[in-house]
Amino acid sequence: GDSVTQKEGLVTLTEGLPVMLNCTYQTIYSNAFLFWYVHYLNESPRLLLKSSTDNKRTEHQGFHATLHKSSSSFHLQKSSAQLSDSALYYCALMNQGGSAKLIFGEGTKLTVSS
Amino acid sequence: GGIITQTPKFLIGQEGQKLTLKCQQNFNHDTMYWYRQDSGKGLRLIYYSITENDLQKGDLSEGYDASREKKSSFSLTVTSAQKNEMAVFLCASSIDNSQNTLYFGAGTRLSVL
Repeated sequence: GDSVTQKEGLVTLTEGLPVMLNCTYQTIYSNAFLFWYVHYLNESPRLLLKSSTDNKRTEHQGFHATLHKSSSSFHLQKSSAQLSDSALYYCALMNQGGSAKLIFGEGTKLTVSS
Repeated sequence: GGIITQTPKFLIGQEGQKLTLKCQQNFNHDTMYWYRQDSGKGLRLIYYSITENDLQKGDLSEGYDASREKKSSFSLTVTSAQKNEMAVFLCASSIDNSQNTLYFGAGTRLSVL
């Protein structure tokens, strides 16, 4: 079945350094939608980015990601980490099989320190 | 804008007890979801419902029942609480069953004594 893998469970960075959170996925469908959700402490998870277009960069709130179907990847990046970026980040996959089933990865906890 | 309300926010149960978690949304969304959040395991799908009276099992449905009583509400029942179980249950909704944004509630935190 479909799956999403986030290799890093915990990423710790110093403010100002670049952020890269890895996400790879598996699906039998050629048309997959990929998402990044962010979960700040004491808030509800919310959408950060989404894409279904191969090799097109998607940006929001300083973060960006590019869906690469050839490598089944959708890594999240930011040029310069801020303290306020500390949160839990989830990569998620929905295929176009019409099932409405959104599969999440294990999550990466990003901690940014000064 | 709309809101998703989950009740209760905290739920303490006894081993073997049947426990019900409730979720209401006023977005008028068709599709609703229940996820379980465990540290290191991500968000795992328990049940989802594409429309009123529809029910679909997720990967973690064993040990749970769900009910979509009406379009705005989706409840989840833990059929027999497991001793020392601790988890957060998140309800979410989306406009329909295509690739749309999920909106999440604040969660219900379960502890089983």
